[in-house]
Amino acid sequence: EVKLVESGGGLVQPGGSLRVSCAASGFPFRLYGMNWVRQAPGKALEWVSYISSLGSSIKYADSVKGRFTVSRDDGDNSLHLQMNSLRDEDTALYYCVRDPYQDGGPYYFDYWGRGTLVSVSS
Amino acid sequence: QSVLTQPPSASGTPGQRVTISCSGSTSNIGNNNVDWYRQLPRTAPNLLIYTNHQRPSGVPDRFSGSKSGTSASLAISGLQSEDEAEYYCAAWDDSLSAYVFGTGTKVTVL
Repeated sequence: EVKLVESGGGLVQPGGSLRVSCAASGFPFRLYGMNWVRQAPGKALEWVSYISSLGSSIKYADSVKGRFTVSRDDGDNSLHLQMNSLRDEDTALYYCVRDPYQDGGPYYFDYWGRGTLVSVSS
Repeated sequence: QSVLTQPPSASGTPGQRVTISCSGSTSNIGNNNVDWYRQLPRTAPNLLIYTNHQRPSGVPDRFSGSKSGTSASLAISGLQSEDEAEYYCAAWDDSLSAYVFGTGTKVTVL
């Protein structure tokens, strides 16, 4: 069974940093591209970032480019999102999401975690 | 503001057919595949339709997707109470170099 479990969310002040992570299991993690998708309270879904298998291709939404960094550790089947210079508008539930292919994505999202909540507020 | 526009709401009685539209442009729907996601209340989204009309295993054939030009649509036939959810279309946008989601449509079963 594919499982994606996010962690690391919390309350942070504007301008601060936070690192959220995702523990993957139930599939050969190293063979799949991965994404982060977020959802602000009461709002629509927003794609944040993509990283291919082996980390050779990385993409970001313009809203987070230069502030967020995605990475993966195939040794322990984990995905990470380092978030710096956080703003109020980054407040959202952050989902770890699997892409169905190794590279060239994002294509679509076939498995989702339950999300971790990041709140940016003073 | 999303580049993919959906009606905010849709409704029907049990057994009816409901259709949700998704309007885009040549940079997204016109040149790329469309996917659909369903988000039940207080849960994570799940994949409903991919590559315009493909259904993942486990998704009943009551759900169907189609695309024409710069628009796409999701049809739900034989509407059931458990279909009450938020539905999102999505596609890659060549101009934004981003995977974009629609504005979302809340389906209510009357």
